[in-house]
Amino acid sequence: AQKVTQAQTEISVVEKEDVTLDCVYETRDTTYYLFWYKQPPSGELVFLIRRNSFDEQNEISGRYSWNFQKSTSSFNFTITASQVVDSAVYFCALSDFSNTGNQFYFGTGTSLTVIP
Amino acid sequence: DSGVTQTPKHLITATGQRVTLRCSPRSGDLSVYWYQQSLDQGLQFLIQYYNGEERAKGNILERFSAQQFPDLHSELNLSSLELGDSALYFCASSADTGEQFFGPGTRLTVL
Repeated sequence: AQKVTQAQTEISVVEKEDVTLDCVYETRDTTYYLFWYKQPPSGELVFLIRRNSFDEQNEISGRYSWNFQKSTSSFNFTITASQVVDSAVYFCALSDFSNTGNQFYFGTGTSLTVIP
Repeated sequence: DSGVTQTPKHLITATGQRVTLRCSPRSGDLSVYWYQQSLDQGLQFLIQYYNGEERAKGNILERFSAQQFPDLHSELNLSSLELGDSALYFCASSADTGEQFFGPGTRLTVL
C-alpha cells in the first residue's frame, strides 16, 4: 500500500538555523513521483518540488535542498539559514507515475516554526 | 497567485443540505484534483478528472460527487452534509508535467 510518513509533527528552530524535515514513503510501484508542498498560515498550498523515482540526484533551490534516497525510501527536505517566512506546515506526497491519472498520498505534515 | 480559482471562499450551511464548490483550473491545464483538509484527517485526496473524464478516485464519500465540464472547470457536489464534512476543500490543476497548482480553497462549515 502507498503511504507517506512525516514523523515530525512540530519543529521549532531559531532563525538562521538549518532544519531538515523528514519524509519516508512506502510504495510497491517502481516508478512514482514525490512532492513537497508548503502551507503557510494564510492557508494556500504552494508547490515546492516534484521528483520522479528515476532521478535520485539531489536538488538545491536557493536555501532549499532535497535529498532523495531510494535505498531508504526517504525524500528529506532541508532549509538552510531558516527565516521567519519559512514558518508553515510542510507536506510530503507520493503519487503514481502517470500524469493523466494519479492517486495522491499525503503525509500528515510537519509544522515548522522559525523563531526570530 | 497560482492561477487556480475557487468559489465560494467560505460557505456556511446546515446538516442535511447540499452544496456545490466550483473550481477553474489554470489556463491550459487538463487535470483537476479535489482535496479535503480537515483537522483530524489531514489532507485527503478525493478525486481527479482529466479532460472531462474521471481518472483517479481517493477517499471520496458516496455523498460526494464531482464532474469536469467541457470548458475544464470542475464542480464538487456535497450532499446530505454532516458536521464532520466541515473542512477546507482544495482544488488543484496540473498540466501533463504533473506539478499541481492549488487554489485558495473553500472553507465549508456545517452547522
